[in-house]
Amino acid sequence: QKEVEQDPGPLSVPEGAIVSLNCTYSNSAFQYFMWYRQYSRKGPELLMYTYSSGNKEDGRFTAQVDKSSKYISLFIRDSQPSDSATYLCAMSPGNNRLAFGKGNQVVVIP
Amino acid sequence: GAVVSQHPSWVICKSGTSVKIECRSLDFQATTMFWYRQFPKQSLMLMATSNEGSKATYEQGVEKDKFLINHASLTLSTLTVTSAHPEDSSFYICSAREGRGNQPQHFGDGTRLSIL
Repeated sequence: QKEVEQDPGPLSVPEGAIVSLNCTYSNSAFQYFMWYRQYSRKGPELLMYTYSSGNKEDGRFTAQVDKSSKYISLFIRDSQPSDSATYLCAMSPGNNRLAFGKGNQVVVIP
Repeated sequence: GAVVSQHPSWVICKSGTSVKIECRSLDFQATTMFWYRQFPKQSLMLMATSNEGSKATYEQGVEKDKFLINHASLTLSTLTVTSAHPEDSSFYICSAREGRGNQPQHFGDGTRLSIL
């Protein structure tokens, strides 16, 4: 079983819809959770960073962490064509190591 | 804030040459920097971790003599691909972490390396 599971998609949604992405993990030592957005031929850009169970909101983005179920989610409200990208979940036990999901390609159709 | 600059963004060179890639943290001091490799439609693979002023720690299977890493200051790390061959062609991405503790990594925009 991989440490981090993320369905690679792709996921196509109409503009204005809510995008829902999720990752599951098996390592209970993970304490820090991140979502990155990566455009084609670019490096990952940090979107959300959280270390506690519950919801964290930043503009149109909401990150949700459920440590008891080992499950994290990212929601994008009022999706825009500019949100079309690959979204990577990442998590860490608190050392230098990041465990990444495979990435989820999202396409927002105008 | 937390901007990481990587240069060059794209390089094409002949087989056998060495290529140096720079990674700079522009607005913060990065005690630790990381080098990743990414293949098409795949996630990032950690190659090595470098701490300022000390030797890099390489992941299993990564040749340290092939991929030379120098982290001479708190804002600059370099990766040199020595005697590059076509199989070294890839997308190389650096990241940096501010300070110590559990701050998230911030990534550069990557370097696309093509070896002919």
